[in-house]
Amino acid sequence: DTEVTQTPKHLVMGMTNKKSLKCEQHMGHRAMYWYKQKAKKPPELMFVYSYEKLSINESVPSRFSPECPNSSLLNLHLHALQPEDSALYLCASSQGQGPMNTEAFFGQGTRLTVV
Amino acid sequence: EDQVTQSPEALRLQEGESSSLNCSYTVSGLRGLFWYRQDPGKGPEFLFTLYSAGEEKEKERLKATLTKKESFLHITAPKPEDSATYLCAVPSSGGYQKVTFGTGTKLQVIP
Repeated sequence: DTEVTQTPKHLVMGMTNKKSLKCEQHMGHRAMYWYKQKAKKPPELMFVYSYEKLSINESVPSRFSPECPNSSLLNLHLHALQPEDSALYLCASSQGQGPMNTEAFFGQGTRLTVV
Repeated sequence: EDQVTQSPEALRLQEGESSSLNCSYTVSGLRGLFWYRQDPGKGPEFLFTLYSAGEEKEKERLKATLTKKESFLHITAPKPEDSATYLCAVPSSGGYQKVTFGTGTKLQVIP
């Protein structure tokens, strides 16, 4: 099973709202990622968790707050977003072990619209 | 600086018309190259990982190959359901959990 599950699939939120995106995998992967993708662009890395610890933050604004409650779950807390934050948010996971990169498996994404 | 360039940006094929997509890269010490397929509004779907020059992998009508400077995704006798954006990605030289994505090739297969 190479499934990464993201909820919700769609989200519309106002600029003063607080919401959370959720991601779950049961492949035993130890690295989990959040990506942001705008239309006609490749995915853009936001955060990486390795063994449940934040290992990479790509200078993402603090209105995005990641959380990794355990090795299977990854959350992205959203607060005071701007309309330009509207995008497809993708969660991914990979084995995250050893010196070689291994392929990442992506969820189907959450389409976020900020109004 | 790591660079991944895909060409062409868009490709329109008749059903059954074979072709190849290109991914050229500039990265220090290649540690793998990944191919993904992405349908509109969906997450990328993993296709292949290639680790060394000369390596080839196949899946149905797709075949990926790797040289020291580029990778090709060959599509043999494509069908309309192969229409998608194809992305390649390489691990960044700056950190083994980061990858650099190419901008993708949007493939349209016409019946």
